[in-house]
Amino acid sequence: EVQLLDSGGGLVQPGESLRLSCAASGFTFSSSVMTWVRQAPGKGLEWVSSISSGGGSAYYAASVKGRFTISRDNSKNTLYLQLNSLRAEDTAIYYCAKRIDPDYWGQGVLVTVSS
Amino acid sequence: DIQMTQSPSSMSASVGDRVTITCRASQDINTYLAWFQQKPGKAPKSLISESSSLRSGVPSRFSGSGSGTDFTLTIRSLQPEDFATYYCQQYDSYPLTFGGGTKLEIK
Repeated sequence: EVQLLDSGGGLVQPGESLRLSCAASGFTFSSSVMTWVRQAPGKGLEWVSSISSGGGSAYYAASVKGRFTISRDNSKNTLYLQLNSLRAEDTAIYYCAKRIDPDYWGQGVLVTVSS
Repeated sequence: DIQMTQSPSSMSASVGDRVTITCRASQDINTYLAWFQQKPGKAPKSLISESSSLRSGVPSRFSGSGSGTDFTLTIRSLQPEDFATYYCQQYDSYPLTFGGGTKLEIK
């Protein structure tokens, strides 16, 4: 059974950092492109970032480029999203997902940026 | 960037109805179009990929069609558990983009 377990969310102040993790199981993680999608309170889905199976290629939404970094550790079957210079508008539930046309989603973690 | 426009943004229907949601891309995306269902407080659920390929375990009353710029999601014979918000997403090119969502409510 495919499982994606998101963790690392929380309340931070503007300008601070946070690292999200997504522990994967039930499929060959090292062969899968992985993606982060977020959803601000009461809003729609927004793609954040994707990373190739080997980690050599990463793609970002313009709204996070230069502040967020996606990475993966295939030996640990874990996907990461480093969030730096956080802003109030980054407040959202962050979901990890398998593939760029996601077939499986994590349960999501809430990131709240507020002073 | 490719813009995805869904319509309607909300609609009401009754159990047993047939409903159609449309999604239009601002440029040709071939068939690189996915559909998702989301219920309040839950993660999205994947329904369809490549415009018309039903994901494993998704009931056959759901179907998708289209290519190029115009796509549809059809739900034949609505069931109570189908009342939710639906999103389309293009994955033809980065940045990946989602439609604004269609909230399907009970009439």
